[in-house]
Amino acid sequence: EIVMTQSPATLSVSPGERATLSCRASQSVSSNLVWYQQKPGQAPRLLIYGASTRATGIPARFSGSGSGTEFTLTISSLQSEDFAVYYCQQYNNWPLTFGGGTKVEIK
Amino acid sequence: QVQLQESGPGLVKPSETLSLTCAVSSYSISSGLYWGWIRQSPGKGLEWIGSIHHSGRTYINPSLKSRVTISVDTSKNQFSLKLSSVTAADTAVYYCARRDGINWFDPWGQGTLVTVSS
Repeated sequence: EIVMTQSPATLSVSPGERATLSCRASQSVSSNLVWYQQKPGQAPRLLIYGASTRATGIPARFSGSGSGTEFTLTISSLQSEDFAVYYCQQYNNWPLTFGGGTKVEIK
Repeated sequence: QVQLQESGPGLVKPSETLSLTCAVSSYSISSGLYWGWIRQSPGKGLEWIGSIHHSGRTYINPSLKSRVTISVDTSKNQFSLKLSSVTAADTAVYYCARRDGINWFDPWGQGTLVTVSS
């Protein structure tokens, strides 16, 4: 199974600043990667698919990049509603696997 | 827009079978997509359990395959999960979701907490 590793585990950022989250795959997943956002008490919400395509209704401040084994989610200017946990998921191979998450907290 | 709602017992005894149902509204399960179960526990994070097509074809996580049954009832527009021989390690929030695109999930149900305890 492909192991997805996210870093850092926690990221402390001030509102208005840029946040850069990383996701690494144990083997190439091509561009078959998505990012989700999860707020406390809620289900994950799709942000990015195909490594870099924003899902419907997702603000332009969210961007994804990367391919192969290294991926990045960037939030260009953090808003109060962006403080949450972010997960990556690969869909290149069965079984589908998720990263352990990065918590973005207010600095 | 499509909505999913999980239902089932919130407490299951060790060695028994966990049974959950996901009711889908505003979208027909028979429209051709896959539908999935994912769980989230503090110890293991998010874990894909398995996915099912309206035809009944399933893909199950090999780590759970011996204990998991996923089925679909198109007449009721719902699909179900059974996990047998549960232990405390199966305590988690269980989500159902629609598989979108190639193989990701959108949207998700609100999730239901299942605790395994005697």
